[in-house]
Amino acid sequence: QKEVEQNSGPLSVPEGAIASLNCTYSDRGSQSFFWYRQYSGKSPELIMFIYSNGDKEDGRFTAQLNKASQYVSLLIRDSQPSDSATYLCAVNNSWGKLQFGAGTQVVVTP
Amino acid sequence: DGGITQSPKYLFRKEGQNVTLSCEQNLNHDAMYWYRQDPGQGLRLIYYSQIVNDFQKGDIAEGYSVSREKKESFPLTVTSAQKNPTAFYLCASSIGGQGYEQYFGPGTRLTVT
Repeated sequence: QKEVEQNSGPLSVPEGAIASLNCTYSDRGSQSFFWYRQYSGKSPELIMFIYSNGDKEDGRFTAQLNKASQYVSLLIRDSQPSDSATYLCAVNNSWGKLQFGAGTQVVVTP
Repeated sequence: DGGITQSPKYLFRKEGQNVTLSCEQNLNHDAMYWYRQDPGQGLRLIYYSQIVNDFQKGDIAEGYSVSREKKESFPLTVTSAQKNPTAFYLCASSIGGQGYEQYFGPGTRLTVT
């Protein structure tokens, strides 16, 4: 079992709709959670981080954390073609190591 | 402008040659990291350093070496012992350890033939 799992996609989303990305993790003691956006051929860019259960909103992005169920999700509202990218979930586990998922590719269609 | 720079952007080498990738940051971050990314895979940690003159092996350190003589700089050497060196190499930094958010440089794409 991988430590951090994401659906590889592609997740096809109509422009203006909500994109919903999920990430599950295996280490129940994990403390901090990050979402990165990576455009093709570029480096990852941090877009959200969350430490506590519940929702955290930043502009069109909302991160949701449920430690009891061991998942973290990212919602992208009013999706734009510029949101087309691969989204990486990263989890800081109980050993203090940051583990990355393989990423979910999002394609926003006009 | 604060940020992380990596050079060169593209690097081509012949098998059997050592190559050094540069990473510099002016964010005043204590911790620095090197990752490798292969197609369809997540980032894998090669080495990390929490303070000057100290560094730790990550998950895939074999065939790589690093130094941390200055807070701003964390160069990575890919040695001839690395069996599969062609990859996208990413340097990152954070204000503290791995529990803090990491910021990435633009990356170096290394091709070894």
